[in-house]
Amino acid sequence: QVQLVESGGGVVQPGRSLRLSCAASGFTFSSYGMHWVRQAPGKGLEWVALIWYDGSDKYYGDSVKGRFSVSRDNSNNTLYLQMDSLRVEDTALYYCARGRGHNYGYRDSWGPGTLVTVSS
Amino acid sequence: DIQMTQSPSTLSAFVGDRVTITCRASQTISTWLAWYQQKPGKAPKVLIYDASSLETGVPSRFSGSGSGTQFTLTISRLQPDDFATYYCQHYDSYSYTFGQGTKVEIK
Repeated sequence: QVQLVESGGGVVQPGRSLRLSCAASGFTFSSYGMHWVRQAPGKGLEWVALIWYDGSDKYYGDSVKGRFSVSRDNSNNTLYLQMDSLRVEDTALYYCARGRGHNYGYRDSWGPGTLVTVSS
Repeated sequence: DIQMTQSPSTLSAFVGDRVTITCRASQTISTWLAWYQQKPGKAPKVLIYDASSLETGVPSRFSGSGSGTQFTLTISRLQPDDFATYYCQHYDSYSYTFGQGTKVEIK
C-alpha cells in the first residue's frame, strides 16, 4: 500500500535553514506529482509546494516563494523540501502528499507529518 | 489568487442528521474541487474529487455537488465516525487554496 513518511523536522532559530525529506513506497513514485502541505498548530491547511513527476516543473505558495525549494530523487523515491530564511510563522506540521488528477490537484495519500518549530 | 470560503465554520448535529457544508470560490473553478476530512492528530483524507466523484473506499453517505463557484458536501446520515473537520480545496490553477475548514461537532 502507499506509504509516505516525512522526516527532518525539529526546532530551529529564525533565519536558519532546515531540509525535510519524505520517503515514498508502495507505488511508482516517479509517475506522480508530489506536494508539501503544512498546518500551523490549531489552524487550517496551507499548500506549500508542488513538483511534477519528473521534477521539470515546480510551484510554490506565495508565503514561501523565494525561501523554500522543492526537489525529488526518483531513483531513491524521496521528496525534499529545503527551507531557508525560516520565520516564526513557518512553524507547522509539514505533510507530504501524492497528487492526482487535474494539475495533480487533489491529494489521495498523505504522510503523518513532521513538526517544524521556528523559535529563538 | 482564488479564495475559498466555507460555511459554516462550526456545525453541531445529531447522529443520523443530514449535514450540508458549503464552499464558495472567489472566481469560477469549473469542477476542480476536492473535499477532505481531518480528525485530530491525523492527516487529511480525501473524500470527494472533481466536485462530485467519490474517492475509492469512502462511504456512499458522502456526496459532493456544484460547479463554477458554489459547491456543497453532504453527509446523508451522520455517523459517530464523521465528527471531524472538513476542508474544501480548489485545483483550478497552481495555487491550491483550501477553505478555512468546518468543524462538525456532536450535538
